[in-house]
Amino acid sequence: DVKVTQSSRYLVKRTGEKVFLECVQDMDHENMFWYRQDPGLGLRLIYFSYDVKMKEKGDIPEGYSVSREKKERFSLILESASTNQTSMYLCASSLPPSSPLHFGNGTRLTVT
Amino acid sequence: AQSVTQLDSQVPVFEEAPVELRCNYSSSVSVYLFWYVQYPNQGLQLLLKYLSGSTLVKGINGFEAEFNKSQTSFHLRKPSVHISDTAEYFCAVSDLDGNKLVFGAGTILRVKS
Repeated sequence: DVKVTQSSRYLVKRTGEKVFLECVQDMDHENMFWYRQDPGLGLRLIYFSYDVKMKEKGDIPEGYSVSREKKERFSLILESASTNQTSMYLCASSLPPSSPLHFGNGTRLTVT
Repeated sequence: AQSVTQLDSQVPVFEEAPVELRCNYSSSVSVYLFWYVQYPNQGLQLLLKYLSGSTLVKGINGFEAEFNKSQTSFHLRKPSVHISDTAEYFCAVSDLDGNKLVFGAGTILRVKS
């Protein structure tokens, strides 16, 4: 079974802090994704990566950056956290082109 | 670009009743279609997927969905629901590269006893 592990289940940060969300997958998947989940909006894609050191912007990349130095690890970075980034963040991985996404359990981030 | 509309934000239903969760999509190219389920405090897990072939797709936990190309729909059905089916359900679409999955806003299914 594919396992996607997000390093924190809950995180509380202050406005202006730099925040790192970490995600690790154990199945050698090429693709990795960061989504943001908000009530009534579903999941919105922030960034995805289809290979090491490769990344592409999703639908809402503003205020975020990512890093993929190793195939199994995909990090989401909030350069200067703001209260409107309070949300549930979900990491996922997959094998292209038609394999389904495997999700982690999410990180609930609160920015105060 | 693809988009997904889930027509109901919440669906209340009594236990053992049938249920249908509606999903419409728009795309100018051929697509793959998915339904995911999210139980409370968990990540999403795949319920079923349509890639090609038969338009009726069976998934886990007794769910099935029908791909209707002319109506651009992919509705999810279950003939008899259980309390344990209470969860949020997401419809999603991707192009044939499979690199970007676009999700609907979700439908909360509440099963009452």
